[in-house]
Amino acid sequence: ETGVTQSPTHLIKTRGQQVTLRCSSQSGHNTVSWYQQALGQGPQFIFQYYREEENGRGNFPPRFSGLQFPNYSSELNVNALELDDSALYLCASSSSQNYEQYFGPGTRLTVT
Amino acid sequence: AQSVTQLDSHVSVSEGTPVLLRCNYSSSYSPSLFWYVQHPNKGLQLLLKYTSAATLVKGINGFEAEFKKSETSFHLTKPSAHMSDAAEYFCVVSTGTSFGNEKLTFGTGTRLTIIP
Repeated sequence: ETGVTQSPTHLIKTRGQQVTLRCSSQSGHNTVSWYQQALGQGPQFIFQYYREEENGRGNFPPRFSGLQFPNYSSELNVNALELDDSALYLCASSSSQNYEQYFGPGTRLTVT
Repeated sequence: AQSVTQLDSHVSVSEGTPVLLRCNYSSSYSPSLFWYVQHPNKGLQLLLKYTSAATLVKGINGFEAEFKKSETSFHLTKPSAHMSDAAEYFCVVSTGTSFGNEKLTFGTGTRLTIIP
């Protein structure tokens, strides 16, 4: 059973650019959630996808968007990057068996 | 709204002594509560979870937590600290009552330092 994987590991972008982060869910999981973890803080919920549709969103602006594909992999897109978007972005997948979310190692995004 | 408060931002204990990381929750109904651990430059790992079954929950690596409704607490304990326990610990509450419609709300974290 493979775990949750994310790519890339690290990314450096310039303010105003756009970025796409990718996540592959754990085998058998059909729900994916994305979280933003700023330095020294706990993760903050961005949104969740279930059966390819957004199913819950945290307090993030519309320039944060996502997709879930038929194979349950997912993308997080951020437009018009701001300096405050610099953070560790975590993806978590879960199944219909329980409420446990399994996290990937994260993508470290730096906006300069 | 559901939330958790971690009462200590930093805890230091000597190797071999007990660990206590404190967490209080706020919820309008019986919550699902979790403890996650994050080692430096690593992702989050689930230590244990409470979902309205037994109030004393045993997790991995010798950790356990007790759900106390009267005190709205969910403190994490371990009888004997090991050097490998040094990490950031997050108390977490899950909102939503149906599958496919829940999110995790994290506390601010407690950094555990183990003194040799």
